[in-house]
Amino acid sequence: GENVEQHPSTLSVQEGDSAVIKCTYSDSASNYFPWYKQELGKRPQLIIDIRSNVGEKKDQRIAVTLNKTAKHFSLHITETQPEDSAVYFCAAKGFQKLVFGTGTRLLVSP
Amino acid sequence: DVKVTQSSRYLVKRTGEKVFLECVQDMDHENMFWYRQDPGLGLRLIYFSYDVKMKEKGDIPEGYSVSREKKERFSLILESASTNQTSMYLCASSLGADGTYEQYFGPGTRLTVT
Repeated sequence: GENVEQHPSTLSVQEGDSAVIKCTYSDSASNYFPWYKQELGKRPQLIIDIRSNVGEKKDQRIAVTLNKTAKHFSLHITETQPEDSAVYFCAAKGFQKLVFGTGTRLLVSP
Repeated sequence: DVKVTQSSRYLVKRTGEKVFLECVQDMDHENMFWYRQDPGLGLRLIYFSYDVKMKEKGDIPEGYSVSREKKERFSLILESASTNQTSMYLCASSLGADGTYEQYFGPGTRLTVT
């Protein structure tokens, strides 16, 4: 089945810096890659997703890139703000279900 | 606005007790999911259901069962709770049959088994 690895597990940046979180997946048939953000004490929420027929997708300060050949995808956050501090989960759609990565705790210091 | 609710935010049970966790969604979603969330392990799928009375095992189904008698309600059952089932349990729902739609999560139930 699908296996998703996510790095780093923690990431500390200064406000205004960029942050990059990377994920790899194992199943070449996976075709959907969402990213979820979970603020402290709250439920995970979808922030951006990408499908396998697209190489990059942007939404304001966040972007996701997908390299199908290498089977990895990344989340890029530019001009980070303290409210970006949260745990971020990548996921890949395997057979019938999403498989999540283990999460990255992002801390943005003012 | 999609709403997914869970029956309890916090629950404390004793080893060996039967535990029921309930999840209700109000947006007529076909798919419902139960995950457990543990530090460093991410979100791991226990069971999911893509239709009433249908269920599929996820990645860690051992020690759990589920019930979906109505479209809006998905229950997770711990037949005989054990301390290693102490965790945060998250329910989610989504549209569609192909798994490429946004999952909407409930607020979570933090279960402690003593």
